[in-house]
Amino acid sequence: NAGVTQTPKFQVLKTGQSMTLQCAQDMNHEYMSWYRQDPGMGLRLIHYSVGAGITDQGEVPNGYNVSRSTTEDFPLRLLSAAPSQTSVYFCASSYQRGGRYEQYFGPGTRLTVT
Amino acid sequence: TQLLEQSPQFLSIQEGENLTVYCNSSSVFSSLQWYRQEPGEGPVLLVTVVTGGEVKKLKRLTFQFGDARKDSSLHITAAQPGDTGLYLCAGVRQAGTALIFGKGTTLSVSS
Repeated sequence: NAGVTQTPKFQVLKTGQSMTLQCAQDMNHEYMSWYRQDPGMGLRLIHYSVGAGITDQGEVPNGYNVSRSTTEDFPLRLLSAAPSQTSVYFCASSYQRGGRYEQYFGPGTRLTVT
Repeated sequence: TQLLEQSPQFLSIQEGENLTVYCNSSSVFSSLQWYRQEPGEGPVLLVTVVTGGEVKKLKRLTFQFGDARKDSSLHITAAQPGDTGLYLCAGVRQAGTALIFGKGTTLSVSS
């Protein structure tokens, strides 16, 4: 199993540009999430999905869109990039069974917006 | 307001010392996880605790879930330089909701 894969690993955007961060998992997990990690702020939830066709907002959703058309894929779209979106983005997939919840992370995408 | 408070934020110790990291909340969690993250990589799951009072051991690491399922601790015995990293606690309040993270504890172990 490849686990959780993310592309690209690095990206530089100009203010106002749009792009999609790709995320895929091959573990058949029902839950997928996007986080951003900034120094001193920890991991903050952007959007998450509890299954194909179902998404919900997290703590910091503004400026980002998501969709979940398949179990495997959960892309994150930046609509009009801003310097405040410079961050490291992590995608994760997880499952819940009988109260047990385990989440697995991708390697991250390092985004710089100039 | 941070739902999960981790302490200390930074910890710098010598090889061979023991240490404890705390993760506290006023909310009850159905399960709680501990992760370790190294620079340039994603967090890696270390352990999941589900039952109040549960204790799990992973070599020199001991994890405990509080009886009321509101807090957890990570104890490392005889720390080694390889233990250096960012330790994150995270919890799920109820099924179908997303994982909530603390801000993490940065541990540095020098030889």
